[in-house]
Amino acid sequence: KQEVTQIPAALSVPEGENLVLNCSFTDSAIYNLQWFRQDPGKGLTSLLLIQSSQREQTSGRLNASLDKSSGRSTLYIAASQPGDSATYLCAPDTGNQFYFGTGTSLTVIP
Amino acid sequence: SQTIHQWPATLVQPVGSPLSLECTVEGTSNPNLYWYRQAAGRGLQLLFYSVGIGQISSEVPQNLSASRPQDRQFILSSKKLLLSDSGFYLCAWSWGNYEQYFGPGTRLTVT
Repeated sequence: KQEVTQIPAALSVPEGENLVLNCSFTDSAIYNLQWFRQDPGKGLTSLLLIQSSQREQTSGRLNASLDKSSGRSTLYIAASQPGDSATYLCAPDTGNQFYFGTGTSLTVIP
Repeated sequence: SQTIHQWPATLVQPVGSPLSLECTVEGTSNPNLYWYRQAAGRGLQLLFYSVGIGQISSEVPQNLSASRPQDRQFILSSKKLLLSDSGFYLCAWSWGNYEQYFGPGTRLTVT
């Protein structure tokens, strides 16, 4: 069964900093990997999807990378803003099944 | 565009009572459908997924069940709720091996 670990569990940074969130998974036989954000008491919002054949995917200030063979993905957030405060979750897809880690709780201090 | 609905938004039920949560998707056909539970301070746990009408796969043995009576309708049920069933229940859909989209969730409190 796929095990997903996200480090750090919590992160607090001043506004404007660049930051990296890490995701590792045990089963490298994935079709894709998706990054989400979750605001308190809300559902998940999709941020980026990286196909297994891709190494990077970018959307605005977000850049996600994928090293499938080593079971790792990173989410890079540039010039962080208070509105980025949320929990960030990664989810590798092993074929109709997405597995989630416990996420990284990000707080951006104005 | 595609939309996913869940109801109710919140629910308070006594131990031993039945449960029925509904999820519907609009704007797509033959989606893969998923039920997740998120307990307080814990990650998302995949409960059930379905690739078609009447096709349900269970990830975790428990007192919950799921059904897919129509292509875009997914129902989570229980005959008798336990205290441990409290949590945030999320429905999601995807099409093929592409992005997964989540509904707004149902907050269930079992008392």
